[in-house]
Amino acid sequence: GDSVTQMEGPVTLSEEAFLTINCTYTATGYPSLFWYVQYPGEGLQLLLKATKADDKGSNKGFEATYRKETTSFHLEKGSVQVSDSAVYFCALRGYQKVTFGTGTKLQVIP
Amino acid sequence: DTAVSQTPKYLVTQMGNDKSIKCEQNLGHDTMYWYKQDSKKFLKIMFSYNNKELIINETVPNRFSPKSPDKAHLNLHINSLELGDSAVYFCASSQGPFENTEAFFGQGTRLTVV
Repeated sequence: GDSVTQMEGPVTLSEEAFLTINCTYTATGYPSLFWYVQYPGEGLQLLLKATKADDKGSNKGFEATYRKETTSFHLEKGSVQVSDSAVYFCALRGYQKVTFGTGTKLQVIP
Repeated sequence: DTAVSQTPKYLVTQMGNDKSIKCEQNLGHDTMYWYKQDSKKFLKIMFSYNNKELIINETVPNRFSPKSPDKAHLNLHINSLELGDSAVYFCASSQGPFENTEAFFGQGTRLTVV
């Protein structure tokens, strides 16, 4: 079945540091890949997406590239801000359902 | 306009009670879902409906019963609530069940069983 593995947190970074959150997946078929963000006490927000191999999703300075050869969709941001503190979920859109990774908590300190 | 809306946002109830969570989407989607987020933030699918027909039921206790009166609504009824049911429940919808259809999530319902 489909599965998503993402790096465990929490991740603590200083403001303006570079962020990478690793995500790999196992899937049948041709899934779409997503990153969702959940701010404290709030719901899930779609951060970015990629629907096929080699697509790059980007939003708010975050980027991720759909790498079929390495079955990966790593999230990156060049310079994080305190307001980026949240839980980030890698997700795979397969047939009939979305499968989530375990989430990575990011804390950015001033 | 909220695309996927859930009510209530917060629900506190005693063990043994029966409660319902409602979900409505105004996107014209055919497929709807319920997810459970536990205290460790892990998100797991519970049910999926396509055109009002159940297509996924993921090892959920039969105290949980989804009901889809029409394609725009998917309600979740929970009987005999237990402490372990405390969680955040998310409703979602998509155009269809296929890989290229994006899922849109509601804001969640935080259920606390005391």
